[in-house]
Amino acid sequence: DTGVSQNPRHKITKRGQNVTFRCDPISEHNRLYWYRQTLGQGPEFLTYFQNEAQLEKSRLLSDRFSAERPKGSFSTLEIQRTEQGDSAMYLCASSLEQVWDEQFFGPGTRLTVL
Amino acid sequence: KQEVTQIPAALSVPEGENLVLNCSFTDSAIYNLQWFRQDPGKGLTSLLLIQSSQREQTSGRLNASLDKSSGRSTLYIAASQPGDSATYLCAVRGFQGGSEKLVFGKGTKLTVNP
Repeated sequence: DTGVSQNPRHKITKRGQNVTFRCDPISEHNRLYWYRQTLGQGPEFLTYFQNEAQLEKSRLLSDRFSAERPKGSFSTLEIQRTEQGDSAMYLCASSLEQVWDEQFFGPGTRLTVL
Repeated sequence: KQEVTQIPAALSVPEGENLVLNCSFTDSAIYNLQWFRQDPGKGLTSLLLIQSSQREQTSGRLNASLDKSSGRSTLYIAASQPGDSATYLCAVRGFQGGSEKLVFGKGTKLTVNP
């Protein structure tokens, strides 16, 4: 499979626990994005990497959230001290740096905070 | 701040009908616009991408148009099938402040009845 992959697909955790999600982009894509989607809403941008550099962060990304892309390949998104309001689908996308920059999305990680 | 609106929020049609989904955006300074399909609990599948210099794109039974000056796009689905049932999202990539993010609408939930 050459698409974007995300793990785990589902995560249930208790409030206050830390969670980490992984995203593997399409192999030749140098741009990687994280979005969050709550029920009935469109995805909202969280952060964006070009290679290993984190170039943009949304105000939605509080200090409990951290994202990394250490070697410019896969990325991780960590949420510390989870809250019930963090329950959402976390989507990863990747693209090749071009003028048209079509973003391709993974299947998402569904987080439920109890 | 870019805002994307999709009308209607939900649409139910009989199989075989041609239909149009609407998307409007407030800032015409965009690089491109993408239409996505999302099945329940799943990630996003890219359907069509229209560059800001283009007027329309076609893929099979789908045709997307873009009128950048008026801030509108439409997705036309011909001869709808039950398998087309999904939520359709539009998203724009603007160039305010060098941002690479997509800004999404809330989607139109389409049901095609056999």
